[in-house]
This record gives sequence, C-alpha cells and structure tokens, in this order.
Amino acid sequence: NAGVTQTPKFQVLKTGQSMTLQCAQDMNHEYMSWYRQDPGMGLRLIHYSVGAGITDQGEVPNGYNVSRSTTEDFPLRLLSAAPSQTSVYFCASSLQGASGNTIYFGEGSWLTVV
Amino acid sequence: QQQVKQSPQSLIVQKGGISIINCAYENTAFDYFPWYQQFPGKGPALLIAIRPDVSEKKEGRFTISFNKSAKQFSLHIMDSQPGDSATYFCAASGKYGGATNKLIFGTGTLLAVQP
Repeated sequence: NAGVTQTPKFQVLKTGQSMTLQCAQDMNHEYMSWYRQDPGMGLRLIHYSVGAGITDQGEVPNGYNVSRSTTEDFPLRLLSAAPSQTSVYFCASSLQGASGNTIYFGEGSWLTVV
Repeated sequence: QQQVKQSPQSLIVQKGGISIINCAYENTAFDYFPWYQQFPGKGPALLIAIRPDVSEKKEGRFTISFNKSAKQFSLHIMDSQPGDSATYFCAASGKYGGATNKLIFGTGTLLAVQP
C-alpha cells in the first residue's frame, strides 16, 4: 500500500528558480491538498482539489500553482522560489473533502531556498 | 489571525501520567474537530475526531472533550507512554460550501513522555 507518495524528499533551490513537487495517491481519493509546515505555525493549506480539473485556493496560495489532470496526481509548482518558501511541504488526500473524512498525509518534502 | 488556538506549545509528562492539550476556536461554522499525531520526519496521522453534537469521544487511551458553548476542545492521553512522544495538532473544518474542504490546524504541541 503506497498511500500518498511525495517526491523529492529533499530539495535545495536558488532564489528565482522554479520547481515542481510531485504528489501521487493510489487510493482513488477525490480530494487532494497541499500544506506547508513551518515552526510555530502548524500546517497551512496552500491549494486543494476536489477532483480532476477542479482546484481552489487555501490559506496561503501566493507563489504556488497547482493543476489536477488525473485523480491520482496533484503537483505543486513554485514558479519563482523565494527564501520565504523554505518549508516542509505535505501532500494529503481523502475520499471526499476535509470535513468528516480521514485525511492521509505523505511523508513530506523538505525544501530550502537559498 | 489564528483561527484555531492551541496550547501549550510543549508539554513534559511522566510515564503513566495524563497529557492534556487544549484548543479553542472562534468560527461557529466549524463542525468537525480532528486531532492529528506527527512523529519526527513523518506526515501527520489522524488520531481521533469529534463533531459538536457530542461532548466526549474516547478511543483507547485517547479522549476528546468538547465544550460547544465555550468553543473549546481538548485531547486527553491517559496512562501516557514514551511512545506517545510526538507533536499533536488540533484542527477544524466547516460545514458549508468550500469550508468543508479546508482543514485549519492549530500550531501544535510537542509532547515528551519521560520514562
């Protein structure tokens, strides 16, 4: 059982570079989301998707893009990385939505922007 | 503005003791309140959850107490064990429209259970 798989695990970027964090789930979940975790701030929702072709913004969407072309995949794109985007990123999925459903998290992607 | 306020930031408990973590919220449209447990280097995992139509939910050594009028809820870990040492997050999500798709987390509590 793979669950939610994130790649890469670790990444160092230079300011201004772009990159994509990959996320895949094999549970046929409709809902997928991206969070960032920063010390003292908990997890904050970046973007989420309720199905293929449907995405929406969370609490902290600026500087990030997402798309959902398949049920399985939900990549997160940083178009022009900034030091403020240094964080641990978690992808998550659930059967349907956040309320009342178990959300399964990946193991995280550690991103450092220098 | 933190929509879900969690305390304490850190907690040290002796083995066998009771760990208590508290959360408070302002948005009365929240109707789902889960607790997540996170070990170092791992993603959070659902521990236990409650809806506001009940005042308490128990699963093994873990209990959520919910006070709707005070807009507060807490996690109690009975007979705390060293293996419970982790970071605990409370969270909340709403019941209408887009709010059902947004899980808002507290800032986390680092629990250390000493043997």
